[in-house]
Amino acid sequence: DAGVIQSPRHEVTEMGQEVTLRCKPISGHDYLFWYRQTMMRGLELLIYFNNNVPIDDSGMPEDRFSAKMPNASFSTLKIQPSEPRDSAVYFCASSFTGIEQYFGPGTRLTVT
Amino acid sequence: GDSVTQMEGPVTLSEEAFLTINCTYTATGYPSLFWYVQYPGEGLQLLLKATKADDKGSNKGFEATYRKETTSFHLEKGSVQVSDSAVYFCALSPSQGGKLIFGQGTELSVKP
Repeated sequence: DAGVIQSPRHEVTEMGQEVTLRCKPISGHDYLFWYRQTMMRGLELLIYFNNNVPIDDSGMPEDRFSAKMPNASFSTLKIQPSEPRDSAVYFCASSFTGIEQYFGPGTRLTVT
Repeated sequence: GDSVTQMEGPVTLSEEAFLTINCTYTATGYPSLFWYVQYPGEGLQLLLKATKADDKGSNKGFEATYRKETTSFHLEKGSVQVSDSAVYFCALSPSQGGKLIFGQGTELSVKP
């Protein structure tokens, strides 16, 4: 079975540009999570969805970040405008139970 | 609030040595506990889990026992291999589910 799929795997962009990260969860999983990983702050939960509805977005850093889940098989995380401090690895994870989570390979974002 | 504390790394061991990575947690209710492993350049993989007190999770020679009296979930392996070199994350899912709270990660390096 295919795991969680994320694209792109690497993204390099200039400050001020819009960035869109994409995630396809494991089929049948009703929960989807977005995390950010940095050396300074470790792994942080940004937002999670249940049945396509955002449940907790308290980890979203600021209004520049937005996430959507238009259907059960696709989610996006958008940063507009991007800043150098947004450079990180962004992980998507999905879950059937909401407890045991399965992670994608991540998107490494570099904002110059 | 809920939190997870892991021993600081890096941990450097020789092949076939015994491994212990300490993890303690603070949580209300009855959380589920997990160990995830992250190999260089990859996403997090679920290594093992325990969902109630005194449960022992095990996988690939790794073990951890859910100790409610000491609020601990220490990871152990009797004989490490070079291929076990990775970063290990302890995590908890609160009793109501919905999110994972991670420790800061412990880097393990196994030398031949």
